[in-house]
Amino acid sequence: QQQVKQSPQSLIVQKGGISIINCAYENTAFDYFPWYQQFPGKGPALLIAIRPDVSEKKEGRFTISFNKSAKQFSLHIMDSQPGDSATYFCAASTGFGNEKLTFGTGTRLTIIP
Amino acid sequence: GAVVSQHPSRVICKSGTSVKIECRSLDFQATTMFWYRQFPKQSLMLMATSNEGSKATYEQGVEKDKFLINHASLTLSTLTVTSAHPEDSSFYICSARSGSSSYNSPLHFGNGTRLTVT
Repeated sequence: QQQVKQSPQSLIVQKGGISIINCAYENTAFDYFPWYQQFPGKGPALLIAIRPDVSEKKEGRFTISFNKSAKQFSLHIMDSQPGDSATYFCAASTGFGNEKLTFGTGTRLTIIP
Repeated sequence: GAVVSQHPSRVICKSGTSVKIECRSLDFQATTMFWYRQFPKQSLMLMATSNEGSKATYEQGVEKDKFLINHASLTLSTLTVTSAHPEDSSFYICSARSGSSSYNSPLHFGNGTRLTVT
């Protein structure tokens, strides 16, 4: 019930392409869905987050698409750059984002020139 | 932006000894801090939730007597790994937020502590 399933496990995208990472959840009480970016040896950094009352949120090259009926949300990175190479985690929590985060399993993204 | 500082970044200790990891919120008061553990190429697993002035809430399967958490002030939480063993070797990460809701005060993470127990 508390799981967040993330795919793919790893992804290779050419520079300038679109990177797409998907997550699915079961718990309909989740009401906060953030994405985190983590570089090796560092802690995760918040990238972008969405609430279930909107279907899409865009910040620069990063967009979250949210499908409430399918219980799925995804991260799109437009014009992917080598500096975007990192591990990305989706997450979810309840209680208006007050409760603990449940993390997805992570996606290792590699952007090749 | 909000900064969470974690110290030390790396520590090597001998089996049977204890290690303390500090987590500080540098420019905000953290009412809640979370401690995570991350094994190589794996996700973050929540160990415990720490609220200032009260006892930490541990996740199922986490030994509270082994992983001592103290949240003595609004800017400092510590995790002490007692009687460390090689299987405790991992990447420990703390996180903190200033408010009660991530809607208004997102969770910020420290840079983690790599613990190696020999």
